[in-house]
Amino acid sequence: DAKTTQPNSMESNEEEPVHLPCNHSTISGTDYIHWYRQLPSQGPEYVIHGLTSNVNNRMASLAIAEDRKSSTLILHRATLRDAAVYYCILSGAGSYQLTFGKGTKLSVIP
Amino acid sequence: NAGVMQNPRHLVRRRGQEARLRCSPMKGHSHVYWYRQLPEEGLKFMVYLQKENIIDESGMPKERFSAEFPKEGPSILRIQQVVRGDSAAYFCASSSTAGTGPYEQYFGPGTRLTVT
Repeated sequence: DAKTTQPNSMESNEEEPVHLPCNHSTISGTDYIHWYRQLPSQGPEYVIHGLTSNVNNRMASLAIAEDRKSSTLILHRATLRDAAVYYCILSGAGSYQLTFGKGTKLSVIP
Repeated sequence: NAGVMQNPRHLVRRRGQEARLRCSPMKGHSHVYWYRQLPEEGLKFMVYLQKENIIDESGMPKERFSAEFPKEGPSILRIQQVVRGDSAAYFCASSSTAGTGPYEQYFGPGTRLTVT
């Protein structure tokens, strides 16, 4: 499986935008980029996924570099409820195994 | 809509006992996945099941662990003769489709197993 690299931790002020980076230089042409997050003492929660084009949903936006070697998850206005570990995961079409790394622990400062 | 349900939420077992973890997928979902999260580590895939079938158990330890998803009732992850190293959070996820991806996996709140 292609590997992802994320910063161990990030901080954000409440109500400000947050940009969470992910590097995946060995991504293959058919790999999708998924983001999940895990709030303390809870199971992971799907956030967003994309292949080549930028994606938006009610939770976040996903910006994918033109060469697809990196991507950025954008939370437009961080709230205290967004404090969680965010995981960037690659998986091929048809792959059902999600490989979770260490992720980025996001702290939101009131 | 009820989400993925897991019970019990917390389970304490003595070494050598059996642990049974239950997972009810979201309504309409027929694909179930089990993951294990050891302390200070990321989640690791264990097994993928459809109704009455084990599709992929490549992440399951070779001994003491088994899983099933019967035609009726929840999926069960069974750990026989538990050891301290089995202490972890066990998460179940479900999806409505698989194989043609991408698709979302919906996770339950997990069962935290402590072996004393």
